[in-house]
Amino acid sequence: KAGVTQTPRYLIKTRGQQVTLSCSPISGHRSVSWYQQTPGQGLQFLFEYFSETQRNKGNFPGRFSGRQFSNSRSEMNVSTLELGDSALYLCASSLSGVPNQPQHFGDGTRLSIL
Amino acid sequence: GQSLEQPSEVTAVEGAIVQINCTYQTSGFYGLSWYQQHDGGAPTFLSYNALDGLEETGRFSSFLSRSDSYGYLLLQELQMKDSASYFCAVRVEDSNYQLIWGAGTKLIIKP
Repeated sequence: KAGVTQTPRYLIKTRGQQVTLSCSPISGHRSVSWYQQTPGQGLQFLFEYFSETQRNKGNFPGRFSGRQFSNSRSEMNVSTLELGDSALYLCASSLSGVPNQPQHFGDGTRLSIL
Repeated sequence: GQSLEQPSEVTAVEGAIVQINCTYQTSGFYGLSWYQQHDGGAPTFLSYNALDGLEETGRFSSFLSRSDSYGYLLLQELQMKDSASYFCAVRVEDSNYQLIWGAGTKLIIKP
């Protein structure tokens, strides 16, 4: 069974640009969550999608947005990029997001802002 | 607010036992999870506790005390490959079962 796939793996952008990251969950998983991780930091929760609806949202500015498609694939968009957005962006999927289900993470997209 | 506290770094010797603690303050609690992340890698699920007590999976065990809002991860017979960051995460008992994460504990293992 294929794992969570994130594309691209690496991305370099400049300030002011926008970026779209993609996440394909494990087949059959309907919940997708996004996290931002900076060096030495924990996982900062961005948002969670379930059945194409945003179910939970973290404390990030409106420049960060996402969506989920009918096949459960998800995209995350960041507009007007800032230097501080340089980070590893992780996507995680689970069957339905109920409490006892583990999250399965992709390898992440490493975003660098110049 | 919601918060989880865990030590930022723990050092142990190969072959020894180490305990990583996690205390939480959340509005409602459903369960405590532990994840492992090696440098440059993705977090991987280790364990989940919803009820008080100890859950054992091989060399790793996880404990929960709901009355104390406290849990820990116990690693036995430490191996060099256990060097990683360990995160605790709490499922809060709200309408959407939001997952709240600790900042992570970096485990350094010395030969």
